[in-house]
Amino acid sequence: DVKVTQSSRYLVKRTGEKVFLECVQDMDHENMFWYRQDPGLGLRLIYFSYDVKMKEKGDIPEGYSVSREKKERFSLILESASTNQTSMYLCASSFGRGPASTDTQYFGPGTRLTVL
Amino acid sequence: AQSVTQLDSHVSVSEGTPVLLRCNYSSSYSPSLFWYVQHPNKGLQLLLKYTSAATLVKGINGFEAEFKKSETSFHLTKPSAHMSDAAEYFCVVIQGGTGFQKLVFGTGTRLLVSP
Repeated sequence: DVKVTQSSRYLVKRTGEKVFLECVQDMDHENMFWYRQDPGLGLRLIYFSYDVKMKEKGDIPEGYSVSREKKERFSLILESASTNQTSMYLCASSFGRGPASTDTQYFGPGTRLTVL
Repeated sequence: AQSVTQLDSHVSVSEGTPVLLRCNYSSSYSPSLFWYVQHPNKGLQLLLKYTSAATLVKGINGFEAEFKKSETSFHLTKPSAHMSDAAEYFCVVIQGGTGFQKLVFGTGTRLLVSP
């Protein structure tokens, strides 16, 4: 079974703090993704990576950055957290090589981040 | 650009009755379509996937969906609802041409199942 794990299920931070969300997958997948999920909006892509040290912006990258130093790990960074970044954050991975892959994405359980 | 519209934000059924969750898509070419399910406090799980093979796609847990090009629809059905089906369901289309293939999610339909 594919396993995608996220470092925290719940996180509470203060405005202006730097926040790290970690994601690890154990299936040697090439592609990894970060989404945020908000009620009534579905999931929106923040960033994705199709190889180590490679990253591409998604639909809503503002206020976020990412890091992929190892194939199995993809980190989402909020440089200076703001209240409008309170959300559920979901990580996903897929086998396919490169950004043109249509392979199934496997999701982690999510991190519910609250910024006060 | 490709997009999906989930026509109902909430659907309520009784246990043992049929389930119908509606999804319409917009695509300039033959799309790849998915249904994902999200149970409370859990990640998304793939239910089924359509990629231009058979128009009737069978998924896990007794769900199936039919791709209808003439109606631009990809509705999810199940003959008999179970309490464990209560969850949020997302219809998803792949957006992209020769470059990055991105998942575009609908806004979700919450399925409520009563005894």
